[in-house]
Amino acid sequence: KAGVTQTPRYLIKTRGQQVTLSCSPISGHRSVSWYQQTPGQGLQFLFEYFSETQRNKGNFPGRFSGRQFSNSRSEMNVSTLELGDSALYLCASSPQVENEKLFFGSGTQLSVL
Amino acid sequence: GDSVTQMEGPVTLSEEAFLTINCTYTATGYPSLFWYVQYPGEGLQLLLKATKADDKGSNKGFEATYRKETTSFHLEKGSVQVSDSAVYFCALRHITGGGNKLTFGTGTQLKVEL
Repeated sequence: KAGVTQTPRYLIKTRGQQVTLSCSPISGHRSVSWYQQTPGQGLQFLFEYFSETQRNKGNFPGRFSGRQFSNSRSEMNVSTLELGDSALYLCASSPQVENEKLFFGSGTQLSVL
Repeated sequence: GDSVTQMEGPVTLSEEAFLTINCTYTATGYPSLFWYVQYPGEGLQLLLKATKADDKGSNKGFEATYRKETTSFHLEKGSVQVSDSAVYFCALRHITGGGNKLTFGTGTQLKVEL
């Protein structure tokens, strides 16, 4: 069974641009969560989707948004990029909401110049 | 709000040494507690979990006990190997209403040398 797939693996953008990251969950998993990982702040929860609906949202500005498609694949978008958005963005999937185990992808490393 | 505090790293040990990584939490009610591990270039993997007070999670020789009275979930292993070198994250999730939102500690890097 394929794991959680995130694309692209690396991304370089400049300030002011926007970016879209993609996450394909494990087959059969309907919950997708996104986390931002930085050396200074550690891992911080962005949002969670289940059956195309946002179920939970972290404390990030409105520039960060996401969506989930009917096949459970998810995308997150960051508009008007700032230098501080440079981070590893991790996606995690699970069969359902409030599942005891999350399966993480390897992440997308975003660098904002 | 919820928070998780882990000991600062890096922690450097010799192979076969005893490992303890401290983790304490602040949360209302009774959260579920987790240890995740991240190997270089990879995403996080669940190492072990505990869902109620006095539960002991264990996996691959690692253990952690949910201590409600001290709000702690310290990770231990009796004899570490070079292959255990990784970053370890303590995390919590509320049982109801938390969805799959985890609150993580900052991570503790473990280096095991021969």
